[in-house]
Amino acid sequence: DIQMTQSPSSLSASVGDRVTITCRASQTISKNLNWYQHKPGRAPKLLIYAASNLQSGVPSRFSGSGSGTDFTLTISSLQPEDFATYYCQQSFSTITFGGGTKVEIK
Amino acid sequence: QVQLQESGPGLVKPSQTLSLTCTVSGGSISGGSYFWSWIRQPAGKGLEWIGRIDASGIINYNPSLESRVTISVDTSKNHLSLDLRSVTAADTAVYYCARELYSMVRGVVNSQFDSWGQGTLVTVSS
Repeated sequence: DIQMTQSPSSLSASVGDRVTITCRASQTISKNLNWYQHKPGRAPKLLIYAASNLQSGVPSRFSGSGSGTDFTLTISSLQPEDFATYYCQQSFSTITFGGGTKVEIK
Repeated sequence: QVQLQESGPGLVKPSQTLSLTCTVSGGSISGGSYFWSWIRQPAGKGLEWIGRIDASGIINYNPSLESRVTISVDTSKNHLSLDLRSVTAADTAVYYCARELYSMVRGVVNSQFDSWGQGTLVTVSS
């Protein structure tokens, strides 16, 4: 299986901050990388697909980049509703997810 | 807008079979180029993909669970099902169903989970 490693596992940030989360694959996955936002008790929400494509309805402050093994999710200006856990997921081979990054209020 | 809802027993005894159903509303499970997946999350841990099925019956399983899992689809009821046999405490988790869409983006074939259910907690305990 392809291992997906996210960093950091958690971070504290303030409203308005720029936040960057990274995801590294144990082998190359082209651009087969998706990002999700998950809040407790809610359905996970697709944010970014194919590394850099914004899902319809997702605010433009979210962006993704990368290819091969290294990927980044950026929130340009953190909003109160963005405090959640974020997961990367590869679809290059047997689906695997990163361990998650919990974004907390500073 | 499609909605997915998981249902099933919240408590299963060790060695028994965990059975869940995912009902799809707001769209046909047979419509479009979709697969339908089961994904789980043990408390305090990450997400684990269990397997997928499409309306024609094409099935893929996570090799780590394949020997214990059966996923099926009932297009007349617009739902998919999960059976996980010989469960242990390690199978305690929130179980999600999700719709998986395949798309071509700038020459890259990708799949992503664009709709999810809210999940259902299943505890394995005697």
